[in-house]
Amino acid sequence: DAKTTQPPSMDCAEGRAANLPCNHSTISGNEYVYWYRQIHSQGPQYIIHGLKNNETNEMASLIITEDRKSSTLILPHATLRDTAVYYCIVRVGAAGNKLTFGGGTRVLVKP
Amino acid sequence: DGGITQSPKYLFRKEGQNVTLSCEQNLNHDAMYWYRQDPGQGLRLIYYSQIVNDFQKGDIAEGYSVSREKKESFPLTVTSAQKNPTAFYLCASSGTAYNSPLHFGNGTRLTVT
Repeated sequence: DAKTTQPPSMDCAEGRAANLPCNHSTISGNEYVYWYRQIHSQGPQYIIHGLKNNETNEMASLIITEDRKSSTLILPHATLRDTAVYYCIVRVGAAGNKLTFGGGTRVLVKP
Repeated sequence: DGGITQSPKYLFRKEGQNVTLSCEQNLNHDAMYWYRQDPGQGLRLIYYSQIVNDFQKGDIAEGYSVSREKKESFPLTVTSAQKNPTAFYLCASSGTAYNSPLHFGNGTRLTVT
């Protein structure tokens, strides 16, 4: 699986959009971009994933650049409950294929 | 509700004892996984299984063993050979659909003294 690079930490203001960057310059054509988050002492929570088109669901939006070498997770209106570690992962989209986690970004939402 | 159940949430053992962590899922997923997380670190893959009666070693399998006799269950045994067993253990599962995401349980925190 390709490696990803994320900033170790970032702060954002409650009610504002949080934009979380991820660099995956060595991604290959059959690898998807997945985002998870982990709140302290809980299991990671799946947020969203995509291949090359932008994706949106009830939790977030995922913007993938045209060359697929980077992506941005957008939390449109951050709340205090969004404080967590966010992981960007690239993974071959084969059934049963494993996820390889990096260090993630520690996001602190401030009032 | 469908989900993944890990039990117990906290587990304490003496050094030299084997201990088995439970993971059960009712999502009808074929694939299951075990990860380990140390304080302030990301997750590392221990073992994974893509189908019943089959499993593969992950990146840090030494000192661990698994079985997959039933689709719903994927227990992990931490043996006395594991040098640093104290950690947070997470179980996950995923479906067979292409790019099906992993879903995680809430983990078992194992402390060995």
